[in-house]
Amino acid sequence: QKEVEQDPGPLSVPEGAIVSLNCTYSNSAFQYFMWYRQYSRKGPELLMYTYSSGNKEDGRFTAQVDKSSKYISLFIRDSQPSDSATYLCAMYGGTSYGKLTFGQGTILTVHP
Amino acid sequence: EAQVTQNPRYLITVTGKKLTVTCSQNMNHEYMSWYRQDPGLGLRQIYYSMNVEVTDKGDVPEGYKVSRKEKRNFPLILESPSPNQTSLYFCASSPSTGTETQYFGPGTRLLVL
Repeated sequence: QKEVEQDPGPLSVPEGAIVSLNCTYSNSAFQYFMWYRQYSRKGPELLMYTYSSGNKEDGRFTAQVDKSSKYISLFIRDSQPSDSATYLCAMYGGTSYGKLTFGQGTILTVHP
Repeated sequence: EAQVTQNPRYLITVTGKKLTVTCSQNMNHEYMSWYRQDPGLGLRQIYYSMNVEVTDKGDVPEGYKVSRKEKRNFPLILESPSPNQTSLYFCASSPSTGTETQYFGPGTRLLVL
């Protein structure tokens, strides 16, 4: 079983839809949770960063962490065609400093 | 411009022929890391370095070597490449421990025949 599981999709939604992306994990030591966005033929770039449980909002994006269920989510409101990308969750914690674990990535397409 | 650069961007080689992929960052970051990205498997960490002369294994270190002799450079060495190392490779850097934002390079696409 992978430490981090992410539905690879692909996910296709119409412009303006609310998108929900999710990851589950098994390592209870994870404390730092991130979402990266990767456009085609580019390196990933950090989108959202949260520490421990709770919500964080940044414009149209909201990240949620539920440590009791070992479940994290990224919500995109009013999705735009420019949001079309691969979204990767990533986690870090415990005693292995520097070791970041990624999910498989979800491919999202927002069509006009 | 603050950036992470990788060279080469594309490489086709044959089994057993040693190769090096270079990575350089100009942000004075202490932390650097190498990942490989494969369909269905996401990004997997190969090696990381918390500082000069300090390196550690990630999830998939077999068949790879790294060195960190200078702060800005973190080359990835494949001593004897095999076809299962065909992949897309990314280098990343981060200010201190890697738990902050990681800045990724543009990627190196490697094909081993």
